[in-house]
Amino acid sequence: QKEVEQDPGPLSVPEGAIVSLNCTYSNSAFQYFMWYRQYSRKGPELLMYTYSSGNKEDGRFTAQVDKSSKYISLFIRDSQPSDSATYLCAMIHRFGNEKLTFGTGTRLTIIP
Amino acid sequence: NAGVTQTPKFQVLKTGQSMTLQCAQDMNHEYMSWYRQDPGMGLRLIHYSVGAGITDQGEVPNGYNVSRSTTEDFPLRLLSAAPSQTSVYFCASSYLGVGELFFGEGSRLTVL
Repeated sequence: QKEVEQDPGPLSVPEGAIVSLNCTYSNSAFQYFMWYRQYSRKGPELLMYTYSSGNKEDGRFTAQVDKSSKYISLFIRDSQPSDSATYLCAMIHRFGNEKLTFGTGTRLTIIP
Repeated sequence: NAGVTQTPKFQVLKTGQSMTLQCAQDMNHEYMSWYRQDPGMGLRLIHYSVGAGITDQGEVPNGYNVSRSTTEDFPLRLLSAAPSQTSVYFCASSYLGVGELFFGEGSRLTVL
């Protein structure tokens, strides 16, 4: 069983819809949680990170962490075609040991 | 400011050949790492370094070698290429204790 599970999709939604992307994890030692966005044929780029249970909002993006359920989510409001990309969740035990464990990624397409 | 630069972007090798993937960063990051990305497998850590002269193995180190003689450079060597090493390789760097990885644009390797 992988430490981090992520539905690979693909996921297609109409422009303007709310998108929900999710990951589950099995190792309770993970303390910090991140979402990376990867456009086709590009390297991943950090979108959001959080370390506590609850919600963190940045513009149209909200990251949610539920440590008791070992479940994290990324919500995208008012989705745009430019949001079409692969979204990868990532987790780390603690900073200072920078070995991130990534989910497999969910490919998202926003249909105009 | 170039960020993380990887060369070459594309490479085709025959089984048994050796080659080096180059990675350079100009952000004075202590931490550098190599990942490979395969369909359905996500990003998997090959080797990493927390500073010049210090390297360590990641999740999938077999068949690869690294060295870190300077802060800026972290080359990845394939000793005897195998078809199983066909993949997209990403170099990433960060400050220690921060966790935000900056990725290069990737090197696509095909081993025939």
